Amino acid sequence: LAKTTQPISMDSYEGQEVNITCSHNNIATNDYITWYQQFPSQGPRFIIQGYKTKVTNEVASLFIPADRKSSTLSLPRVSLSDTAVYYCLVALNSGNTPLVFGKGTRLSVIA
Amino acid sequence: NAGVTQTPKFRILKIGQSMTLQCTQDMNHNYMYWYRQDPGMGLKLIYYSVGAGITDKGEVPNGYNVSRSTTEDFPLRLELAAPSQTSVYFCASRGWGGLEETQYFGPGTRLLVL
Repeated sequence: LAKTTQPISMDSYEGQEVNITCSHNNIATNDYITWYQQFPSQGPRFIIQGYKTKVTNEVASLFIPADRKSSTLSLPRVSLSDTAVYYCLVALNSGNTPLVFGKGTRLSVIA
Repeated sequence: NAGVTQTPKFRILKIGQSMTLQCTQDMNHNYMYWYRQDPGMGLKLIYYSVGAGITDKGEVPNGYNVSRSTTEDFPLRLELAAPSQTSVYFCASRGWGGLEETQYFGPGTRLLVL
């Protein structure tokens, strides 16, 4: 499974755009990039997934360059409720391949 | 549709005691997983199952056992509780197929071994 590297923590003010970058230099051809969000005392929650270029949904955007060795999760205009840990995962899109979670990035949104 | 449910929410065990953490999903998902999360750390995979009757070890299986007799249930058994097993345990499930690798997580069971 591809190893990922992401910042341990980030701080942001409310209303700002937050970009969290994840490095995955040894990503395999069939791997997908997935981001999860975890609030305190809760299980992780799926945010977004992509394979290449850009993916956008109602929560976030995911930017993936052509070489796919990194990806950036973009959260537009964060609010206090976006304070959470964000995990970047790289794996085959298969239930046979369980997800491996790193330590994630702890985002703190300040009023 | 309750999703993934876990019981109990919280439990205190004495060293050497046994217990079963229950996990049930009502989404007819084939894949189910058990993770543990220590304070300030990411999730570590304990066991997983790709369908009824099939289970496989994950990253940290020692001290745990699982069974999968039905699609809905995936209980995790601790036979001889140790302080190192103090953690929050999350169960998750995923359906068959689809484009997104989406795992649905339960609310977790907080276990304290003293």
